[in-house]
Amino acid sequence: GENVEQHPSTLSVQEGDSAVIKCTYSDSASNYFPWYKQELGKGPQLIIDIRSNVGEKKDQRIAVTLNKTAKHFSLHITETQPEDSAVYFCASPKEGSYIPTFGRGTSLIVHP
Amino acid sequence: DVKVTQSSRYLVKRTGEKVFLECVQDMDHENMFWYRQDPGLGLRLIYFSYDVKMKEKGDIPEGYSVSREKKERFSLILESASTNQTSMYLCASSLSGVAGYTFGSGTRLTVV
Repeated sequence: GENVEQHPSTLSVQEGDSAVIKCTYSDSASNYFPWYKQELGKGPQLIIDIRSNVGEKKDQRIAVTLNKTAKHFSLHITETQPEDSAVYFCASPKEGSYIPTFGRGTSLIVHP
Repeated sequence: DVKVTQSSRYLVKRTGEKVFLECVQDMDHENMFWYRQDPGLGLRLIYFSYDVKMKEKGDIPEGYSVSREKKERFSLILESASTNQTSMYLCASSLSGVAGYTFGSGTRLTVV
């Protein structure tokens, strides 16, 4: 089955800095890579996703990059703000399935 | 917006009790899922359903069962609650495929 590893488990930055979270996956056939943000007391919410036919996707301060050769994808947050503080999860579909395997999560703390 | 509603935010149950966690979605989604979330372990799939009365085991089904009698409702059942089932439980739904997961806000279950 698909194995998704996510790093780092915690990330602490100053407001205005950039934050990068990286995930690696094992199934070379994976073709869809979403990122979820979970704020305290809430369920995860999809914030951005990328399909395997593109290398990068941006949405305002958030971007996701995909390197299919190396089998990793990353979430980039620029000009971080305190409201970016949350747990972030990456995911990739299980081999031969539409069910995603989630990374273990990254707790991002943005200090004002 | 799709809404996934979990009936309880917090539950405290005694060891050996039968526990029902309810989840309702309002957008006619085919697929529904139950996850448990534990610190450092991320989101682990317990069961999912791709149609009424259909169910499939996820990665950690032991000790759990599910019921889907209506399309909009997916119930998680702990037949005999144990302390190691103390966790955050998240319900999710999706229309099709791996894209477009929507999560509920979660039920924090404590078994004493």
